[in-house]
Amino acid sequence: NAGVTQTPKFQVLKTGQSMTLQCAQDMNHNSMYWYRQDPGMGLRLIYYSASEGTTDKGEVPNGYNVSRLNKREFSLRLESAAPSQTSVYFCASSVDRADTEAFFGQGTRLTVV
Amino acid sequence: QKEVEQDPGPLSVPEGAIVSLNCTYSNSAFQYFMWYRQYSRKGPELLMYTYSSGNKEDGRFTAQVDKSSKYISLFIRDSQPSDSATYLCAMSASSNTGKLIFGQGTTLQVKP
Repeated sequence: NAGVTQTPKFQVLKTGQSMTLQCAQDMNHNSMYWYRQDPGMGLRLIYYSASEGTTDKGEVPNGYNVSRLNKREFSLRLESAAPSQTSVYFCASSVDRADTEAFFGQGTRLTVV
Repeated sequence: QKEVEQDPGPLSVPEGAIVSLNCTYSNSAFQYFMWYRQYSRKGPELLMYTYSSGNKEDGRFTAQVDKSSKYISLFIRDSQPSDSATYLCAMSASSNTGKLIFGQGTTLQVKP
């Protein structure tokens, strides 16, 4: 019963470095999401994918790119990391309806120095 | 102004107290309302879901939605130390997407 798995759990980057956060779900969900969580800001949607092959911007997409590799996997890429991207990143998945539960991963704690 | 506003707290109460957590929102198109609970260093988990206006009860938890006032609440009766967590309200306007708008989250501590 893995659910939503994120890797890595922790990462420290230098300003300007790039990295990819990986996310995989085993619940056969169509929709997947990337959120960031900052103190006092709650969860903010970065990008989402309603189905394999489609992606859309959320509230805070600048500085990020995503790839829906297949139905299971949805990755988030930081091309040139900035200190403002220091945050906890959560991947989530759901059936593509508003009245269903979104299942979250454990989060990736990213620090950009 | 954020679409969803939530008092971040922190809120500290003694065990057994009744807790009231609230969110206000500005988008009248929101129809689907959820409360998620997040323990420290974990991902959020769905606690309650309500569609449109009205009340919903589940054990010690009651969710209320007042669309006319654009106000939702979560009540916790007989609070327990295990209820200590961050509570996030979340909302959606569309029926055919799971895309959610979250509040800032309220951190609750229940003291034994």
